[in-house]
Amino acid sequence: EVQLVESGGGLVKPGGSLRLSCAASGFTFSGYSMNWVRQAPGKGLEWVSSISGSTNYIYYADSVKGRFTISRDNAKNSLSLQMNSLRAEDTAVYYCARDLAPDSVGPTLALDYWGQGTLVTVSS
Amino acid sequence: QSALAQPASVSGSPGQSITISCTGTTSDVGGYNYVSWYQQHPGKAPKLMIYDVSNRPSGVSDRFSGSKSGNTASLTISGLQAGDEADYYCSSYTSGSTYVVFGGGTKVTVL
Repeated sequence: EVQLVESGGGLVKPGGSLRLSCAASGFTFSGYSMNWVRQAPGKGLEWVSSISGSTNYIYYADSVKGRFTISRDNAKNSLSLQMNSLRAEDTAVYYCARDLAPDSVGPTLALDYWGQGTLVTVSS
Repeated sequence: QSALAQPASVSGSPGQSITISCTGTTSDVGGYNYVSWYQQHPGKAPKLMIYDVSNRPSGVSDRFSGSKSGNTASLTISGLQAGDEADYYCSSYTSGSTYVVFGGGTKVTVL
């Protein structure tokens, strides 16, 4: 059974940093692109970042470019998001999500498995 | 990168069919077939309902179907049921400065 479990959320002051983690199990982690998607309270979904299984391809939303860094440890089946220079508008539930198709087929940009989310609150 | 345009709300009676639109540009919806649709119930993670414009993942009811015409993608729910009441989001690959863009979401109400 595929499982994604996020951790690392919490309350942080503006300008501060936070590192989110996502523990994956139940599939060949290194074979799939992984994503972070966030949802501000009462708002819609916003794609944040994507990383291919080999880490050769990394993408960021304009809103986080230069502040957030996505990474993965395939040996530990773990996905991370380092968030620096946090702003109030970064307050959201952050989900990690897996691409539907393995990288060998080509990413579909459709996300078939999602974690339960971890809440990040940026406030003084 | 602006979000894809979706109606804020759509409603229908049980058994009816409804359609949710998702309008983008030639840089996203109109130019590529990487359109997906998600269902999200309150307090839950999103669930993939449609990928590559019109494909259903295993386990998703065939009452859900997707299509695209020009720069607008659509999700149709037929035989509307109470459990279909949720928020629905479209997403697409974009050749713009970002990589993936979501729609603003549509709240579906079953009357």
